[in-house]
Amino acid sequence: GENVEQHPSTLSVQEGDSAVIKCTYSDSASNYFPWYKQELGKGPQLIIDIRSNVGEKKDQRIAVTLNKTAKHFSLHITETQPEDSAVYFCAANNYGQNFVFGPGTRLSVLP
Amino acid sequence: SAVISQKPSRDICQRGTSLTIQCQVDSQVTMMFWYRQQPGQSLTLIATANQGSEATYESGFVIDKFPISRPNLTFSTLTVSNMSPEDSSIYLCSVEGDSLNYGYTFGSGTRLTVV
Repeated sequence: GENVEQHPSTLSVQEGDSAVIKCTYSDSASNYFPWYKQELGKGPQLIIDIRSNVGEKKDQRIAVTLNKTAKHFSLHITETQPEDSAVYFCAANNYGQNFVFGPGTRLSVLP
Repeated sequence: SAVISQKPSRDICQRGTSLTIQCQVDSQVTMMFWYRQQPGQSLTLIATANQGSEATYESGFVIDKFPISRPNLTFSTLTVSNMSPEDSSIYLCSVEGDSLNYGYTFGSGTRLTVV
């Protein structure tokens, strides 16, 4: 079955800097890769996703890149703000199959 | 995307007792999912609940411990039975996205502490 690894487990950046979180997956059949943000005391919230027929997707300060050959995808946050501090989870699936989540990255944006 | 209301938001329970968690969705959905998130950990799927049929449980989770009801297309419950401290976790319900957005929507979760 699918296995998703995520690095780093913790990340601290200065406000205004960029943050990058990388995930690798094992199942080449996976074709959908969402990213979730979980703030303290809340459920995970979908922030961006990418499908296997696209190499990059951007939404304001957030972007996701996908390398299907290498089986990895990354979340890029530019101009980080304190409100970006949260735990971020990547996930992978083949539509119709259950999602497999990465172990999470705790991002701290220091003012 | 769907809006999910999950109750209770938190509870502290005595070992040996049971807690039922409710999940209400503002639109009809075919599949609902129940996840467990142990402290500082990722999300683990407990079971998938379809209306009108028995839930499908993932490896390591059994119906006697986590009975699930799905009486209609907008509501589901998860019961954590005969609780022990190891059941202390966040329990989350989730629904799949629409055809344009496959990503799941999650409820705000139930933080359970068993003492």
